[in-house]
Amino acid sequence: GAVVSQHPSRVICKSGTSVKIECRSLDFQATTMFWYRQFPKQSLMLMATSNEGSKATYEQGVEKDKFLINHASLTLSTLTVTSAHPEDSSFYICSARERQAYNEQFFGPGTRLTVL
Amino acid sequence: DAKTTQPPSMDCAEGRAANLPCNHSTISGNEYVYWYRQIHSQGPQYIIHGLKNNETNEMASLIITEDRKSSTLILPHATLRDTAVYYCIVRINAGGTSYGKLTFGQGTILTVHP
Repeated sequence: GAVVSQHPSRVICKSGTSVKIECRSLDFQATTMFWYRQFPKQSLMLMATSNEGSKATYEQGVEKDKFLINHASLTLSTLTVTSAHPEDSSFYICSARERQAYNEQFFGPGTRLTVL
Repeated sequence: DAKTTQPPSMDCAEGRAANLPCNHSTISGNEYVYWYRQIHSQGPQYIIHGLKNNETNEMASLIITEDRKSSTLILPHATLRDTAVYYCIVRINAGGTSYGKLTFGQGTILTVHP
């Protein structure tokens, strides 16, 4: 299947700083990308959906000013956690899908964020 | 999207078939059944999907009941590396930003033991 990469795989930051996570589709053009968050021993929770060149659609309860999503190209989406706090520590996973390929949604390996 | 119900955990002996059930009694006619799995600290991995016919690929088989209210994922010869959380998801396959979202439930923790 297609490959989705994330960078960094693991990041530790101080409270109050911002962290950017990159998600790349390596061998296909991702017209739609999804960002999920997963707390320990819990399931994945969808945070937002982004389509290339347009604003992201956030799920209810997700602060769009805190979790900035940019999907500027067909192979790259970024999630910036602004003014991070310890409660933002989580496993962030992106997923990507090609236009019209509704059956095929590929996930990245995830980014472990720890806020001290 | 329709809600799914899965047992929280299951065990399976290595080399035996693992049969993971999923109930989706409120599924609508245009919703597909998807299975993903997540090995610890990794992103989910696609396994298989179907609408109403049984499906088979190199990883697994998917058996969907005639009324489509439940399905079973079958791993024919489970190995230790199949230990993971298995998610059964139903969703519409359509365009637009609101459709086609994968909504994950709690899944089934499958433990394959020697």
